Amino acid sequence: QKEVEQNSGPLSVPEGAIASLNCTYSDRGSQSFFWYRQYSGKSPELIMSIYSNGDKEDGRFTAQLNKASQYVSLLIRDSQPSDSATYLCAVGTGFQKLVFGTGTRLLVSP
Amino acid sequence: EAQVTQNPRYLITVTGKKLTVTCSQNMNHEYMSWYRQDPGLGLRQIYYSMNVEVTDKGDVPEGYKVSRKEKRNFPLILESPSPNQTSLYFCATATSLNNEQFFGPGTRLTVL
Repeated sequence: QKEVEQNSGPLSVPEGAIASLNCTYSDRGSQSFFWYRQYSGKSPELIMSIYSNGDKEDGRFTAQLNKASQYVSLLIRDSQPSDSATYLCAVGTGFQKLVFGTGTRLLVSP
Repeated sequence: EAQVTQNPRYLITVTGKKLTVTCSQNMNHEYMSWYRQDPGLGLRQIYYSMNVEVTDKGDVPEGYKVSRKEKRNFPLILESPSPNQTSLYFCATATSLNNEQFFGPGTRLTVL
């Protein structure tokens, strides 16, 4: 069974701080990695994709991938209350096949 | 505007009454998929389609059917709904180039 593990949280950070979200996966053959943001009652929204080891930055978001450790992370700099949501880690285990973690709830307090 | 639409957005029905949830996209994406989302279980794939007339089972296909007669549409059919199919359902689409999937707004289904 291919699995993606996330801490359910909630992860609480003050406004302006860095939020660090983590994800581990079991399938060593995985080639694509994604972070989705989901507000309560809404659909998942793709915020980052990463395909090779290292860091990828997009605005306040940085995705980090370490395939040897089977570890993906998302850093959110200068966290804002509007970043409060559930963050889903998804791993591509085959062509157009995604396995999702259960998500980490992030709370950013003003 | 590029979008994925689902209808209905909310549905309350009774056990055994056949229903269809529609999904339509205007992005000309080859790939479409259905997921259900349940508390503590996350998003689980029900069925997916690589292109017209090409469909395959995901992780939780029991009790569901799909069809892909046109590229833009991918309806989800529950022939005889049961209470354990009460869930939040999402349709997603992607191009054939990568795994970046874009989700519709969701359909909240309650089966009594």
